[in-house]
Amino acid sequence: NAGVTQTPKFQVLKTGQSMTLQCAQDMNHNSMYWYRQDPGMGLRLIYYSASEGTTDKGEVPNGYNVSRLNKREFSLRLESAAPSQTSVYFCASSESVVDPYEQYFGPGTRLTVT
Amino acid sequence: AQTVTQSQPEMSVQEAETVTLSCTYDTSESDYYLFWYKQPPSRQMILVIRQEAYKQQNATENRFSVNFQKAAKSFSLKISDSQLGDAAMYFCAYARTGNQFYFGTGTSLTVIP
Repeated sequence: NAGVTQTPKFQVLKTGQSMTLQCAQDMNHNSMYWYRQDPGMGLRLIYYSASEGTTDKGEVPNGYNVSRLNKREFSLRLESAAPSQTSVYFCASSESVVDPYEQYFGPGTRLTVT
Repeated sequence: AQTVTQSQPEMSVQEAETVTLSCTYDTSESDYYLFWYKQPPSRQMILVIRQEAYKQQNATENRFSVNFQKAAKSFSLKISDSQLGDAAMYFCAYARTGNQFYFGTGTSLTVIP
């Protein structure tokens, strides 16, 4: 039981490049989330998926797109990376958005945009 | 957006001693959840403890306990018998639902041998 896995662990992009961050969970959770963590700040929600087939914006969605590929997988795409998107990205999952059971987090992806 | 405030950017504690990390939050809701997460150098976010706002009894998990003061909107974490493995960044979080999770800026805890 791996929990929440993320790939890659590290990535360096040039401004304007695109990439997709992958996330998968094996806990049969309905809800999945993408957060970013910047120095001196707490995690901020980018997008979430309450259930398979649905996605919604969080607090900081600009510059990102997401896809809930199936119940297990939730990807985050940067279409045209900008230096302001340099951050650590965390994927998380929970049983539901209705009852906020604890969210289980992946190990994070450290992204640097030059 | 709700605000969660952790006023102690850094704290230190002697091994085997007790330390309390502070957290306050702002909300007009009566039903919500509060959490403490630990983030060690590995960056993995690990749930330490959670508290339902409707419960008057403070949550405890082994050496970790909280002091939940609903009227004061305060949610502090007490770590007893501190161990070297407790060294990490600790985040307080408030949630109404899964898509309304708000985190504080964190407190970096150092454990001194």
